[in-house]
Amino acid sequence: EVQLVQSGAEVKKPGESLKISCKASGYSFTSYWIGWVRQMPGQGLEWMGSIYPGDSETRYSPSFQAQVTISADKSISTVYLQWSRLKASDSAMYYCARGLVRGAETPVPFDYWGQATLVTVSS
Amino acid sequence: DIQMTQSPSTLSASVGDRVTITCRASQTISNWLAWYQQKPGKAPKVLIYKASRLESGVPSRFSGSGSGTDFTLTIRSLQPDDFATYYCQQYNSYPLTFGGGTKVEIK
Repeated sequence: EVQLVQSGAEVKKPGESLKISCKASGYSFTSYWIGWVRQMPGQGLEWMGSIYPGDSETRYSPSFQAQVTISADKSISTVYLQWSRLKASDSAMYYCARGLVRGAETPVPFDYWGQATLVTVSS
Repeated sequence: DIQMTQSPSTLSASVGDRVTITCRASQTISNWLAWYQQKPGKAPKVLIYKASRLESGVPSRFSGSGSGTDFTLTIRSLQPDDFATYYCQQYNSYPLTFGGGTKVEIK
């Protein structure tokens, strides 16, 4: 069974750093893209970026390129989303999601999703 | 970036109704379009990809059509479980972009 299990909710202060995780199981971790999607309270879905764990190729949305870092650790089948300096506007729900096609060389939609990580940034 | 525009933003319907949601891309995306359903507090669920291919396990009352810039998601006979928000997403090119969503409410 394919599963993406995300780390728990976080409460941080502005300016702090944060790294949240998404642990994959039930499939070949290195063969599928994993993306991160932001959902601000009451708002729609925004793609932040994706990584291909097989070779760590990473694609970012220009809106998030300078704000976050996406990485992967193949040894523990885990993908990360990291901020070096959080802002209040980073408060949102964050989902990781698996690309639908194995070994895709072009963009793909998402089939399996994590349960989300709520990030709250407040002084 | 390719902008995705959904309409309507909210739709009121009754059980048994036929429901149509449209999605327009700001430039041609061939048929590289997916539709998702999201319920409150839950992760999105893919319904359709490549504009008209039904994801495994999705009821056949859902269907998708279109190509180029104009796309449609149709729910043939709305069921109580279908009241949710629906998003389109283009994956023709990076950055991947979503439509603003269509909330299907009970009339």
